[in-house]
Amino acid sequence: AQKVTQAQTEISVVEKEDVTLDCVYETRDTTYYLFWYKQPPSGELVFLIRRNSFDEQNEISGRYSWNFQKSTSSFNFTITASQVVDSAVYFCALLKGDSNYQLIWGAGTKLIIKP
Amino acid sequence: GAVVSQHPSRVICKSGTSVKIECRSLDFQATTMFWYRQFPKQSLMLMATSNEGSKATYEQGVEKDKFLINHASLTLSTLTVTSAHPEDSSFYICSATLAGGRYEQYFGPGTRLTVT
Repeated sequence: AQKVTQAQTEISVVEKEDVTLDCVYETRDTTYYLFWYKQPPSGELVFLIRRNSFDEQNEISGRYSWNFQKSTSSFNFTITASQVVDSAVYFCALLKGDSNYQLIWGAGTKLIIKP
Repeated sequence: GAVVSQHPSRVICKSGTSVKIECRSLDFQATTMFWYRQFPKQSLMLMATSNEGSKATYEQGVEKDKFLINHASLTLSTLTVTSAHPEDSSFYICSATLAGGRYEQYFGPGTRLTVT
């Protein structure tokens, strides 16, 4: 079975703190893709990153970084020097290993950045 | 690039009426579009997958006669909620993938449906 677990339901930090959002996945596919999406209060989902199973290099984009560890089936997301605008619900998702591009979604982590 | 629009953004309708929601890929051709439903404080629930020119594939538990999906072109898919009832009130979101399959789904801004 394919599954994505985001164990942290809600995280609250003070602005400028670093914060890591956890994502653990389960799949039997050898080829798969992992994603992070941001859903701000407006509701529109924003694509953040895609990572394929053959690329374990960590990725950094500005204040965002992602740590992909196949050994622990994790794809964690870190925001450094958090800002109030980072407040949102963040979803981790796994692409099923077939041809119809269906995503398996985690439950989401609500991130609250306090000023 | 890769912009998806949804219309309307909000709709309030009376019980028993039908509502149509449009999803358009504005600057790309989408071979596959998805329709999701999201309840408050919950994750996205996939309702159906639709490919241009063919019938939609519905997820288990989703009534295809109630949620009619038409994917008439590579840039337009519609979801019609027929004979809506208060329990159909929800946030409906569509997404689209680029033709050629880079796998990212690009999401519309969502439609808030309230059935009174």
